[in-house]
Amino acid sequence: DADVTQTPRNRITKTGKRIMLECSQTKGHDRMYWYRQDPGLGLRLIYYSFDVKDINKGEISDGYSVSRQAQAKFSLSLESAIPNQTALYFCATSVGANYGYTFGSGTRLTVV
Amino acid sequence: DAKTTQPPSMDCAEGRAANLPCNHSTISGNEYVYWYRQIHSQGPQYIIHGLKNNETNEMASLIITEDRKSSTLILPHATLRDTAVYYCIVRVAPMNSGNTPLVFGKGTRLSVIA
Repeated sequence: DADVTQTPRNRITKTGKRIMLECSQTKGHDRMYWYRQDPGLGLRLIYYSFDVKDINKGEISDGYSVSRQAQAKFSLSLESAIPNQTALYFCATSVGANYGYTFGSGTRLTVV
Repeated sequence: DAKTTQPPSMDCAEGRAANLPCNHSTISGNEYVYWYRQIHSQGPQYIIHGLKNNETNEMASLIITEDRKSSTLILPHATLRDTAVYYCIVRVAPMNSGNTPLVFGKGTRLSVIA
């Protein structure tokens, strides 16, 4: 099993629908992150969490919300999806004193 | 965190060394240089990091200039599987960062050619 698992891998949804992207990890890391990637661009940070009781907005949090249900789980929600939220979404984890981030395989979301 | 400048794309012949440059002229004394790569829409993968000394691991070498204003990632014998986007990131080390997440730029698209 992958260290960082994202579900679903691909999703097509309609404008206005609520959708949740899930991330779970088996690395025991405290810190978890959600990034978004648009074609030809780098990754942009949406939200991040340093422990279960800590949630922080990133660069582009508008239109998104998150839930840190447990140390190992960090979910990203689009309350009312819109077409410009069509993108590749990545979850990542890290340890506080560790320099490397571990990324999941991504969720490709299309809003039509 | 200091900003970085990378060429948008580079080509390298298979089996040759790939040298990827990164300019970070505004780097501060407590900021590290990190390199990640992303292979075709997969999640980014950590490669290496350094402060001021050159570093080497099983994947690559990192050469940082003496004034620390630029660095070069070296893949000694590039293979087709090294074709990817390579990101150079400068940030304060985690223990001193106040918990600042990584910020990715657009990176360099390296194409390894057979």
